Amino acid sequence: KAGVTQTPRYLIKTRGQQVTLSCSPISGHRSVSWYQQTPGQGLQFLFEYFSETQRNKGNFPGRFSGRQFSNSRSEMNVSTLELGDSALYLCASSSAGAETQYFGPGTRLLVL
Amino acid sequence: QKEVEQDPGPLSVPEGAIVSLNCTYSNSAFQYFMWYRQYSRKGPELLMYTYSSGNKEDGRFTAQVDKSSKYISLFIRDSQPSDSATYLCAMNRGSTLGRLYFGRGTQLTVWP
Repeated sequence: KAGVTQTPRYLIKTRGQQVTLSCSPISGHRSVSWYQQTPGQGLQFLFEYFSETQRNKGNFPGRFSGRQFSNSRSEMNVSTLELGDSALYLCASSSAGAETQYFGPGTRLLVL
Repeated sequence: QKEVEQDPGPLSVPEGAIVSLNCTYSNSAFQYFMWYRQYSRKGPELLMYTYSSGNKEDGRFTAQVDKSSKYISLFIRDSQPSDSATYLCAMNRGSTLGRLYFGRGTQLTVWP
């Protein structure tokens, strides 16, 4: 089975711009979670989608949003980028009823 | 206070040493416990997964969970230079709550 894929792998943006990141889960997995990883804060939970519905949300401002499509692929969007949004954005998928999550390679975002 | 505490290290050991990595947590509702390994500039890779208290062994790796002390451990026997990575503990409450709560990660270097 192919693993979780994320595109793009690297991205450079400037303050004020917006960005969309994409995640394709493992085939058959219907739950997709997003995390932000920074050296200072570690891995922080952004949100989780299951069957196109946001089921859980972390403590991030409304500039961070996401969605999930009927094929379980997910996108997250960050509007009005700030320097502090520079991070590795990780997507993880899991099958229904499973507690373990499998991570993709991440998208490294640099905001200048 | 973070819900999951993990000593960030760094930890440096010679090849062949036994490595002990630990996390403590505060939320007694956590039931599922995981260890992930993350190489530099990669996504976290699931290493071990345990439910509730007890031990689980997989090759050179042993995971221990002590729910009464809210303490989990990962032991690596006969450590190899290829084990050099950041090790993240993670846990969740189970059921439909898909969010994982992570420790900050311990950076391990195994030198030949």
